[in-house]
Amino acid sequence: KAGVTQTPRYLIKTRGQQVTLSCSPISGHRSVSWYQQTPGQGLQFLFEYFSETQRNKGNFPGRFSGRQFSNSRSEMNVSTLELGDSALYLCASSPPGTSGRDTQYFGPGTRLTVL
Amino acid sequence: AQSVTQLDSQVPVFEEAPVELRCNYSSSVSVYLFWYVQYPNQGLQLLLKYLSGSTLVKGINGFEAEFNKSQTSFHLRKPSVHISDTAEYFCAVSEGSNYKLTFGKGTLLTVNP
Repeated sequence: KAGVTQTPRYLIKTRGQQVTLSCSPISGHRSVSWYQQTPGQGLQFLFEYFSETQRNKGNFPGRFSGRQFSNSRSEMNVSTLELGDSALYLCASSPPGTSGRDTQYFGPGTRLTVL
Repeated sequence: AQSVTQLDSQVPVFEEAPVELRCNYSSSVSVYLFWYVQYPNQGLQLLLKYLSGSTLVKGINGFEAEFNKSQTSFHLRKPSVHISDTAEYFCAVSEGSNYKLTFGKGTLLTVNP
């Protein structure tokens, strides 16, 4: 099975712009989660989608939003970019379970640089 | 709220030496515990996880971890490390039906020849 894929792998944007990141989960996985990784804050949970519905949300401002499509692919959008949004954004998918015991499989990430 | 503390930000060791990476967690409910590894410019890969049952969990690449409920710890160990084990290691916790993973700050393991 192919792993989790994320596109693009690298992005450079300027402050004030918006950006959309894409994640394709492992075939058959219906849960997709997003995480932000920075040197200062580490790995932080953004949100999780299951069957096109947001089930969980982390403590991020409303500029960060996401959605999930019927084929389980997910997109994440950040509007009005700030310098502090520079980070590695990781997507993870999980088998069709309903529990936190399910393993999350991570993609390689999208490296976003905001200038 | 759940939280994870990795007590060492960096651990340098020599090749073939044993290593222990420490992790403590805090949670008010039953938890599931995970160790992930991240190689440079890559995503996270699961090493092992504790769900229930035996407190000693074996994972990939010769790693193992022991769950200690009384000390709220989940330390990762390997009896003999290789150069290729150089990477960053993350301890994480999730609760119940919640898919949210809470991560520690990570431990950079550097294996020297």
